[in-house]
Amino acid sequence: QKEVEQNSGPLSVPEGAIASLNCTYSDRGSQSFFWYRQYSGKSPELIMFIYSNGDKEDGRFTAQLNKASQYVSLLIRDSQPSDSATYLCASGDTGGFKTIFGAGTRLFVKA
Amino acid sequence: ETGVTQSPTHLIKTRGQQVTLRCSSQSGHNTVSWYQQALGQGPQFIFQYYREEENGRGNFPPRFSGLQFPNYSSELNVNALELDDSALYLCASSSTGRRSTGELFFGEGSRLTVL
Repeated sequence: QKEVEQNSGPLSVPEGAIASLNCTYSDRGSQSFFWYRQYSGKSPELIMFIYSNGDKEDGRFTAQLNKASQYVSLLIRDSQPSDSATYLCASGDTGGFKTIFGAGTRLFVKA
Repeated sequence: ETGVTQSPTHLIKTRGQQVTLRCSSQSGHNTVSWYQQALGQGPQFIFQYYREEENGRGNFPPRFSGLQFPNYSSELNVNALELDDSALYLCASSSTGRRSTGELFFGEGSRLTVL
């Protein structure tokens, strides 16, 4: 059974700080990796996807993938109170088929 | 572009009953995935449909079944409801192909309460 593991948190950081979120995955065959954000009472929405080892940057967000260690991370720079949400790590097959989610990490950004 | 829509948004059933949840996928998407999200948990993969056929299934019993129609809309059916089936059921559509990112587009969900 494929699994994605995340620390449930909560993770609390002050406004302007860097938030670091991590996850591991069990299936070495996974090809696609995603970070979704879910506000309370809302549906998940995609923040970033990453397929290749290394870093991928998009604005204040940087995703990191290490396939050898089966490890994915998300860095949020200059954290804002509006970033307070649950962050879901997910892995899937090529093209995102059969995407599996972790339990999510709750992030609180204190003003 | 029409997003993913789900119905009903809320419903209450009693143990042993059956329920059907419906999902209309986003225009241009040919894949639909269903997830169960219990309070405080991440979405759990139930199954995925691609071109009207089941294309993968999570660790859910056979009383969870589904359909995908030629217009790519989908249904999730749950028979013999149990108290633990109370959750938010999320439908997500996606496109496939070489240019697909694999991004899932979620509906707002159907909140099921089993009494």
